[in-house]
Amino acid sequence: GQQLNQSPQSMFIQEGEDVSMNCTSSSIFNTWLWYKQDPGEGPVLLIALYKAGELTSNGRLTAQFGITRKDSFLNISASIPSDVGIYFCAGITGGGGADGLTFGKGTHLIIQP
Amino acid sequence: DVKVTQSSRYLVKRTGEKVFLECVQDMDHENMFWYRQDPGLGLRLIYFSYDVKMKEKGDIPEGYSVSREKKERFSLILESASTNQTSMYLCASSRLTGPNQPQHFGDGTRLSIL
Repeated sequence: GQQLNQSPQSMFIQEGEDVSMNCTSSSIFNTWLWYKQDPGEGPVLLIALYKAGELTSNGRLTAQFGITRKDSFLNISASIPSDVGIYFCAGITGGGGADGLTFGKGTHLIIQP
Repeated sequence: DVKVTQSSRYLVKRTGEKVFLECVQDMDHENMFWYRQDPGLGLRLIYFSYDVKMKEKGDIPEGYSVSREKKERFSLILESASTNQTSMYLCASSRLTGPNQPQHFGDGTRLSIL
């Protein structure tokens, strides 16, 4: 099946730094999603991207849908302690149902005070 | 806001027991999903359902079954629990219609099999 390569696997940063993570694939996706999972909680949808080239912001978060439709990135500006967690990308091929949704393995964000 | 509720946050069971994990969503979503999440392996799809009484196998269905008797409720069943089923279990739901609807997740059930 399809695979998403999400990197980096983990990040150790100082509070106030900007963060950048990305997902790449050999397959084309029609939708890219970014989720955040806090420790002990379920993933929460942060941003959904529906068109190639689309750039969408949600507060300090900005995500882009790559022109080739095979990649996406998520940036977090001026990180704060509550940004700690695991960030997942997910791609939807549009085939319908769960067959069309593929998850990356996550980027674990750790913020050092 | 979409609300997906999983019946237990933490559960401890014994090997060989039959285990039921319950999930309810309040947004009239057609699709419901069960995943397990393990360190280094990400989210793996166990089963999903498009409609009442309908089910489809995901990537790792062995040792599990599901039940969807009502649209809002999707149950995951471990027929005879084993220690390798110790994991975090996540339920999700989404709309069937509309362009590429995102999935919305519950808070998870951390299941330990002793």
